[in-house]
Amino acid sequence: DTEVTQTPKHLVMGMTNKKSLKCEQHMGHRAMYWYKQKAKKPPELMFVYSYEKLSINESVPSRFSPECPNSSLLNLHLHALQPEDSALYLCASSFMGQGRTDTQYFGPGTRLTVL
Amino acid sequence: EDQVTQSPEALRLQEGESSSLNCSYTVSGLRGLFWYRQDPGKGPEFLFTLYSAGEEKEKERLKATLTKKESFLHITAPKPEDSATYLCAGEKAAGNKLTFGGGTRVLVKP
Repeated sequence: DTEVTQTPKHLVMGMTNKKSLKCEQHMGHRAMYWYKQKAKKPPELMFVYSYEKLSINESVPSRFSPECPNSSLLNLHLHALQPEDSALYLCASSFMGQGRTDTQYFGPGTRLTVL
Repeated sequence: EDQVTQSPEALRLQEGESSSLNCSYTVSGLRGLFWYRQDPGKGPEFLFTLYSAGEEKEKERLKATLTKKESFLHITAPKPEDSATYLCAGEKAAGNKLTFGGGTRVLVKP
């Protein structure tokens, strides 16, 4: 099973709201990722957690705050977003083993609209 | 700077009309080249990983190949359900970022 789940599927929020996106995997993967994808563009990496520690932050604005409570869960806390932050937010996970490389498996995404 | 470029940007095919998608890359220390399929509004679905030049992998009507500078995704006798955006990406190390190409949007008409 290579399933990554994300909730909610859709989210509409105002610029003053605080909301959170959730991601879960039960594959024993030790790396988890947040990506942002705009229409007709490829995914853009935001954050990487390796062994529950933030290992990569791609200079993302502080209005996006990631959290990894345990090895199976990844959250993205949202606050004071701008309309241009509207996008599909994708979570992914990978094993981080000793093998040749590390396949990232993506969740279905959360479609975020900021009004 | 690491770069992945896909061509063409869009491809319209008749059902049964075979074609190839190109992914050229300049990723220093490449460990793996990935192909994903993405349907509108959904997350990318993993298709293949290629590790070294000369490697080939197949899945149903799809066949991926890798050279030292590029990768090809061949679609043989496509069906309308093969319509999607196909993304390729290079990886330098585990737990690291994928460098994505811009994608090729494939439309297969019956």
